[in-house]
Amino acid sequence: SQQGEEDPQALSIQEGENATMNCSYKTSINNLQWYRQNSGRGLVHLILIRSNEREKHSGRLRVTLDTSKKSSSLLITASRAADTASYFCATVGASGTYKYIFGTGTRLKVLA
Amino acid sequence: GAGVSQSPSNKVTEKGKDVELRCDPISGHTALYWYRQSLGQGLEFLIYFQGNSAPDKSGLPSDRFSAERTGGSVSTLTIQRTQQEDSAVYLCASSFTGSPLHFGNGTRLTVT
Repeated sequence: SQQGEEDPQALSIQEGENATMNCSYKTSINNLQWYRQNSGRGLVHLILIRSNEREKHSGRLRVTLDTSKKSSSLLITASRAADTASYFCATVGASGTYKYIFGTGTRLKVLA
Repeated sequence: GAGVSQSPSNKVTEKGKDVELRCDPISGHTALYWYRQSLGQGLEFLIYFQGNSAPDKSGLPSDRFSAERTGGSVSTLTIQRTQQEDSAVYLCASSFTGSPLHFGNGTRLTVT
């Protein structure tokens, strides 16, 4: 399977804590993106990190990328109950095509 | 409309029947993607379009699945002789080439 993998598969934390989820992928990439999916809805884009970047921030989100290990992590700081959702990473290959390969997802539950 | 629209939102069909799923992308978006998501799982790539042509059809599970896009806009995913294992949520996304994806809310297909 070309699909990337994420861990943990599920994560449950208290409101105010930080949540970290990891993504591993298999091929050389142009960029890596993180998406969020609320139950029964489509995915929403959160943040994009290019292959020549190592870290990126957006509000309470921090993404890191290690191309030598083919891995990325998403950190959500000061989590809120509204952050409860599934989070997916997606990679865009370096081959010049625009095929997005999604990871298996992390289901995050933030307890109020 | 402002977002990606998919119809129908729910479809229940009998095994062996054909179904057509429709996707209206965001106006002007050049790329269009179809994914399949089984309950609680990640996204399985099916096909993507650049304009009206499909550079990558590698994810279509069998020759019962086909897709077309006309006028660089609307796309239809057709599943012939449906099987129970086809039951899933079918997600469509569109984007400007190389930009993050905008997803619809999906069509939930149930084959009885």
